[in-house]
Amino acid sequence: SQQGEEDPQALSIQEGENATMNCSYKTSINNLQWYRQNSGRGLVHLILIRSNEREKHSGRLRVTLDTSKKSSSLLITASRAADTASYFCATVLRGTQGAQKLVFGQGTRLTINP
Amino acid sequence: DAMVIQNPRYQVTQFGKPVTLSCSQTLNHNVMYWYQQKSSQAPKLLFHYYDKDFNNEADTPDNFQSRRPNTSFCFLDIRSPGLGDAAMYLCATSRAEPGETQYFGPGTRLLVL
Repeated sequence: SQQGEEDPQALSIQEGENATMNCSYKTSINNLQWYRQNSGRGLVHLILIRSNEREKHSGRLRVTLDTSKKSSSLLITASRAADTASYFCATVLRGTQGAQKLVFGQGTRLTINP
Repeated sequence: DAMVIQNPRYQVTQFGKPVTLSCSQTLNHNVMYWYQQKSSQAPKLLFHYYDKDFNNEADTPDNFQSRRPNTSFCFLDIRSPGLGDAAMYLCATSRAEPGETQYFGPGTRLLVL
């Protein structure tokens, strides 16, 4: 079963506006990661936030983590047309010998309208 | 420079005809992963390799197998593809350390006729 759920499933905003996506998960985590996927392409890692962190920034991205609510949010400020993509949160299950097994949420499809 | 390469990008096969997808990496990572992503769904882990040690997810169908002849290459074999196996197949690599991120290839989209 999916570890995480994301909302909204789809989000359409105007260029320049901020976009916020939310993710909830079920089990304890060591870290939570956000990935972006352009249509028909592979995933690109955006940001990782550890369980002892509450907020993290990277350029126009801001991620928050609330372990008491088992939720995270991704904020993209001053959106651009190039930000149009699907965004996935992923929690990590430890595999054998330290492999990091990602369990993805359902994703949010973000469309930035020019 | 491409770090995780998947070939082909698009693969068409016939129902029941074995097919092999390939992945190579230039990162020298010891862990390689295969994910299946069906249309409008999240990627789902099929299995992973730590070096040559193969680790299957419990719900991965027996129809899916994998080979890793060396550090750089990993193959996904689908023995008898069904219509339900049509999907994007994503290869990823990482180092086996806590907090390491995964690097994904562009994916191979498999179509089963």
